[in-house]
Parts: sequence; structure tokens; C-alpha cells
Amino acid sequence: EAGVVQSPRYKIIEKKQPVAFWCNPISGHNTLYWYLQNLGQGPELLIRYENEEAVDDSQLPKDRFSAERLKGVDSTLKIQPAELGDSAVYLCASSFRQGKTDEQFFGPGTRLTVL
Amino acid sequence: AQSVTQLGSHVSVSEGALVLLRCNYSSSVPPYLFWYVQYPNQGLQLLLKYTTGATLVKGINGFEAEFKKSETSFHLTKPSAHMSDAAEYFCAVSDQDSNYQLIWGAGTKLIIKP
Repeated sequence: EAGVVQSPRYKIIEKKQPVAFWCNPISGHNTLYWYLQNLGQGPELLIRYENEEAVDDSQLPKDRFSAERLKGVDSTLKIQPAELGDSAVYLCASSFRQGKTDEQFFGPGTRLTVL
Repeated sequence: AQSVTQLGSHVSVSEGALVLLRCNYSSSVPPYLFWYVQYPNQGLQLLLKYTTGATLVKGINGFEAEFKKSETSFHLTKPSAHMSDAAEYFCAVSDQDSNYQLIWGAGTKLIIKP
């Protein structure tokens, strides 16, 4: 069974440019997460989807970040415009969440460098 | 607010020695506790978790962790380190106050000396 797929794996852009990350979760998983991970820190949740509904986006900087999960499967995270401080690893995770907690399966991440 | 503290950003042990990675959390309600491992250029993988019941939890690759409520700790151990254990390890907590969102520690990089 394929795991969580993310692309691209690496992205280098200049500040003020737009960038998009794509995530394909594990088949059958109803919950999808986007996290941001800075060097030497743990992941920080950006947004959580239950099927196609964003149920927790309180930590998503909505002035420049947007996300969508059409048809409750694949998801895209976009930054426009990117700033120097956005350089980080962007992680996607998915799970089949039925109760209060779940086992999240993570993709390898997209490493973004903003110059 | 919930928080997770992992003591030591780097821990170095010799191959065959005991591995002990420390995790302390703050939570005012019963927590769920997790350890994840991240190998280089790979995604995070669940090692083990505590939800309810037995406080000593066994995970994959010979790791185990014990939930100690009185010490608010969930330390990860392995009796004998192997070279393949070299990775970064993250402790995380979730509870009702966080709406069961995972709150992560900063991670501990485990280095295995031959």
C-alpha cells in the first residue's frame, strides 16, 4: 500500500513568489493534516481536514496561506506571496479518524527555501 | 496550555547500551501520549502510544515507554541500542483541552556510537 505522497520534495523560490505543495493521502483516510516544521522543532499544525471540510484552521496564516481538499482526497497548500520566514519543511499527514485520537501517517515533506 | 518538553536535543549512546529519551508534558486532563520517529529524508512514523489502560506501552523496534502520571512523564527506552536506531524522536501529547490536536516536543536526535 502506498504511503502519503508529497510533491515536490524540494522547492527554492525568491521572496514574494507564489508556491504550492501537493499531498495525496493514503487511500481511505478521511482526515488530512498540513504541518509546518522548522529546523530543530516539532511539527506545528496548520490545518486539519475531515473529508473535504477544514475543521481546524486556526493556526493557518490566512493572509498568505490557503489550502483546499477537493473531493476529500488530494490536498494543495499554497503560499502567496512567500516570505523569508516561510522557509521550513511542510508535512502532510493522513489518518482514519473515528474517535478522539488517531494514528497519523506522514509523508516525507516538502522542504521550502525562500531566498 | 499543553506543552511537551524533551530533555536534550541530542543524545549519544554506544551500540548495545541502554537508550533513554526523556519526555515531560503538561496537561490538566488525562492525556494521550505518543512517540514518533523520523529517519533522515523520511516521514514521521508512530513508535508507540498511550491512551488508557496499562501504563507500560510496547512499540515497534523494541522500544517501550511508561506513563507516569505523578511525574508527568512518558520516557522512551530501549534496552540495547542498534545502529539503525539513529534518528530523531518526537514526543507528542493530545487531550480534550487541545481538542485532541497533537502538541509536539522539539525532538531529540539519537546518535549511536559504534
